[in-house]
Amino acid sequence: EVQLVESGGALVQPGGSLRLSCVSSGFSLSTYSMTWVRQAPGKGLEWVSGISESGGRVSYAESVKGRFIISRDMSKNTLYLEMNSLRGEDTAIYYCARNRGGGWNSGFDYWGQGTLVTVSS
Amino acid sequence: QIVLTQPPSVSGAPGQRVTISCSGSSSNIGADYDVHWYQQLPGTAPKLLIYDNDNRPSGVPDRFSGSKSGTVASLAITGLQAEDEADYYCQSYESSLSGYVFGTGTQVTVL
Repeated sequence: EVQLVESGGALVQPGGSLRLSCVSSGFSLSTYSMTWVRQAPGKGLEWVSGISESGGRVSYAESVKGRFIISRDMSKNTLYLEMNSLRGEDTAIYYCARNRGGGWNSGFDYWGQGTLVTVSS
Repeated sequence: QIVLTQPPSVSGAPGQRVTISCSGSSSNIGADYDVHWYQQLPGTAPKLLIYDNDNRPSGVPDRFSGSKSGTVASLAITGLQAEDEADYYCQSYESSLSGYVFGTGTQVTVL
């Protein structure tokens, strides 16, 4: 059974840093592209970052470029999102999701339950 | 921020048909990138409803269908049921960003 479990969300001050983790099971990160999506309170979905199955292609939304870093540890089946220089507008539930496969734009077929990041002084 | 435009809300009586539009541009939907749809029930993670414009994952009722033409994609729900009350989002690829874009979201209400 495919499962994604995020963790690492917390209350952090503006300008601070946080690392989110997403532990996967039931499949290998080496065969699927992965993505981070966030949702601010009461708002819609916003794509944050993605990494290809090979790890050779990464991309970021303009809103986080230069501040966030996506990575993964294959030995731990874990996807990460390192977030730096956090701002109030980064406050959101962060979801990791698996690309369905069959190309970079194939839809996200499995999602984690989300982890809440709150940026506030 | 580049987004796909959806109506904020649609509603219908049980059994009726409703449609949700998703309007993009020549750099996303109009560039022939596939569109995917998600259903988000209150307090839960999104769920893939339609992929590659008009395909349903296993387990999704055939009451849900998708289509795409030009720069606009659509999601139709026929035989509307109370359990369909949720937020719905479209999603595609944006070439200028080398990344993904989501729609603004549509809240479906069953009257």
